[in-house]
Amino acid sequence: LAKTTQPISMDSYEGQEVNITCSHNNIATNDYITWYQQFPSQGPRFIIQGYKTKVTNEVASLFIPADRKSSTLSLPRVSLSDTAVYYCLVGGPRMDSSYKLIFGSGTRLLVRP
Amino acid sequence: DTEVTQTPKHLVMGMTNKKSLKCEQHMGHRAMYWYKQKAKKPPELMFVYSYEKLSINESVPSRFSPECPNSSLLNLHLHALQPEDSALYLCASSQPTGVEMYGYTFGSGTRLTVV
Repeated sequence: LAKTTQPISMDSYEGQEVNITCSHNNIATNDYITWYQQFPSQGPRFIIQGYKTKVTNEVASLFIPADRKSSTLSLPRVSLSDTAVYYCLVGGPRMDSSYKLIFGSGTRLLVRP
Repeated sequence: DTEVTQTPKHLVMGMTNKKSLKCEQHMGHRAMYWYKQKAKKPPELMFVYSYEKLSINESVPSRFSPECPNSSLLNLHLHALQPEDSALYLCASSQPTGVEMYGYTFGSGTRLTVV
């Protein structure tokens, strides 16, 4: 399984754009890149997923370069409620139709007023 | 219904007790997962079930016993736990793989304290 490396923590201010980069040098051909957000004592919440190039949804964008060895989660105009831990996961479908997704250490984002 | 429901939300048990954690989903997902999360650490995969069959056991001690009675329900039976097993236990489910991968839907977890 591809191991992921993220910054341990990041600080930002309300209204700013935040970019969190994840390194996954040994990503496999059929692996996808998925980002989750987690608040204390809650289950992780799906943010965005991509395979290559750029993906955008209503809350974030995901940029994946051609070599797929890294990815960047972009959160536009963060608010205080975006203070959370953000996890980058790399994994793909298995033969039995399940997935095996291993969490990296995550990035603790603190948004200040 | 787009939720994974875990019960109970909190559980305190003694080291000699037997208890069970329950996880339920009605999204038609055919894979279900148990993760364990210690404070300020990432979730760690414990078990994976696919089509009600155990697919992955990440070398979890036998005092944790998973069970998948049907496609909507996943249990984790606990027996003779240690205080270091205190953690947030997370259940997740995923739809069958196809052309696209969609990842997991997580429940909000059961906070377990072993005394």
